[in-house]
Amino acid sequence: QVQLVQSGAEVKKPGASVKVSCKASGYTFTGYAIHWVRQAPGQRLEWMGWINAGNGNTRYLQKFQGRVTITRDTSAITAYMELSSLRFEDTAVYYCARGLAGIQALGHWGQGTLVTVSS
Amino acid sequence: EVVLTQSPGTLSLSPGERATLSCRASQNISSSYLAWYQQKPGQAPSLLIYGASSRATGIPDRFSGSGSGTDFTLTISRLEPEDFAVYHCQQYGSSPWPFGQGTKVEIK
Repeated sequence: QVQLVQSGAEVKKPGASVKVSCKASGYTFTGYAIHWVRQAPGQRLEWMGWINAGNGNTRYLQKFQGRVTITRDTSAITAYMELSSLRFEDTAVYYCARGLAGIQALGHWGQGTLVTVSS
Repeated sequence: EVVLTQSPGTLSLSPGERATLSCRASQNISSSYLAWYQQKPGQAPSLLIYGASSRATGIPDRFSGSGSGTDFTLTISRLEPEDFAVYHCQQYGSSPWPFGQGTKVEIK
């Protein structure tokens, strides 16, 4: 079955960068996009961007342009989300997600990775 | 950029009651690309409804979605204990993919 397994919790200082991984299994990795969504405490889910795991094309939410980089390693069947110049307000749970077969709605989610930005 | 506004913020109901949740878009969106998710504490969201009205695999038929244009509704016909959770709507299909702010369905 489709599984997305994310890396563990991180604590970072303001100004630092964080890189979260999302290892896929149970399907053809290059056949689907991987999306990244975050949820800050008390805030709505926030879509950050996605990567076409086949060709590596990316799209990012304008808000994160220049600070976020989504990549993938097809040999490792893993997608990555790196967020730089971290601020206190970047403290959130970060999720990777994938659409259902033939349907783009996000039917498969990783377990989430808590990133805490603290001095 | 589309903004999704959900109402109410919190819905206090008893098991067995009907829940009606609203998601309003700031501009017309294709009903083909409106989804609803359920999220329980400490868990990732899970897909309930896609294409505004199609249930995802394994979702019980007490959950139904409807709407078009700017107004969409998620209805839970008879609340079961496991349905008390937060519900999010999302536009998908073309970037960006915004979410609503969520509606919490709590036990009265």
